[in-house]
Amino acid sequence: AQTVTQSQPEMSVQEAETVTLSCTYDTSESDYYLFWYKQPPSRQMILVIRQEAYKQQNATENRFSVNFQKAAKSFSLKISDSQLGDAAMYFCAYRSAETQGGSEKLVFGKGTKLTVNP
Amino acid sequence: SAVISQKPSRDICQRGTSLTIQCQVDSQVTMMFWYRQQPGQSLTLIATANQGSEATYESGFVIDKFPISRPNLTFSTLTVSNMSPEDSSIYLCSVEVHPGGEQFFGPGTRLTVL
Repeated sequence: AQTVTQSQPEMSVQEAETVTLSCTYDTSESDYYLFWYKQPPSRQMILVIRQEAYKQQNATENRFSVNFQKAAKSFSLKISDSQLGDAAMYFCAYRSAETQGGSEKLVFGKGTKLTVNP
Repeated sequence: SAVISQKPSRDICQRGTSLTIQCQVDSQVTMMFWYRQQPGQSLTLIATANQGSEATYESGFVIDKFPISRPNLTFSTLTVSNMSPEDSSIYLCSVEVHPGGEQFFGPGTRLTVL
């Protein structure tokens, strides 16, 4: 079974600075997707960024970018120019893309609570 | 994209009772998912609900405790049966519009069992 590990329960960053959230995963599959979701206090889950494992290029979305290291099974999220609105729980998630025997479910890490200090 | 609503948004229930949570999507989707998020924890999948077939439950979750209905492509319900305080959680439904694409989540139902 796949597992996702987020080793940082909490992180803090100064407004306008850069922070990196770590995520590692374990899988025997070669085809899969990785996601970062944000959950603010309103508890609405919001997709931040998505990476397809077969793509070597790291995904970027405005101030958010990932460092995807497939061989190391690492998928970190970098937030540049941090804003107060970035404060939230951040969850890393894995989804199989295998057409035979794969599962469509998302497997989540335990989350990292990000605090942004003014 | 998909817009998802859930009812109720929160509830406080007595132990031994049951609560049915509704999930409505603004477009037709094949796959719907029900997750549980215990206080301060991550999300754990309860079951996958496909229209026209029985729900598929994850290890540790059973149909008698969490019966699910999926009568059409835009609607599903999750019932939490014979509740105990350990069932106090946020329950979220989600949908996947395109295989491998983003899963869209509802706003969640915060359940407290006394």
